[in-house]
Amino acid sequence: EDKVVQSPLSLVVHEGDTVTLNCSYEVTNFRSLLWYKQEKKAPTFLFMLTSSGIEKKSGRLSSILDKKELSSILNITATQTGDSAIYLCAGENQGAQKLVFGQGTRLTINP
Amino acid sequence: GAVVSQHPSRVICKSGTSVKIECRSLDFQATTMFWYRQFPKQSLMLMATSNEGSKATYEQGVEKDKFLINHASLTLSTLTVTSAHPEDSSFYICSARDPAAYSNQPQHFGDGTRLSIL
Repeated sequence: EDKVVQSPLSLVVHEGDTVTLNCSYEVTNFRSLLWYKQEKKAPTFLFMLTSSGIEKKSGRLSSILDKKELSSILNITATQTGDSAIYLCAGENQGAQKLVFGQGTRLTINP
Repeated sequence: GAVVSQHPSRVICKSGTSVKIECRSLDFQATTMFWYRQFPKQSLMLMATSNEGSKATYEQGVEKDKFLINHASLTLSTLTVTSAHPEDSSFYICSARDPAAYSNQPQHFGDGTRLSIL
């Protein structure tokens, strides 16, 4: 059965800190690993990773995929209170395009 | 970019009522859409894959007679929660991807529907 596991489940840091969120996956016929940010409504897309070792960046956020270790990390530097959210990692399989989500990491940034 | 619209955003109704949720792809045709459910403080769980012009594919443990899915056009999928009960209260979210941009575009989510059954 396909499975995605995230850690930590919860993280509280001070504004300005750097955080690293982890995601490991076991997905049949793996195609891509996706990161989403969820605040009060539905998830908003952050990154889609298909190739191993290539870092993707968007402002203070970056992410990389390690296909050998079946894992990915999401880094956020110089955190701000607006980064407080649940960060979801999802694995996608090639054929069915289904997303298998991890439990999410609840990130809280204190001023 | 691709946009997915979901309606209504919030429903509060009595036990026994059937509730229909719509999911539309606004600027692309989606042969496949996905329906997820999210309970409080939990992650998204895939309920079913909605296929245009054919029957939906349900995940294990999801009652197809309880959660009716219709994908009658290339831009609209509907999820009907039949005879809803309090335990069906949840956040329901749909997603879709532009098949023309499959290789480099992610699935996009609707804003979700928060369903509360009294």
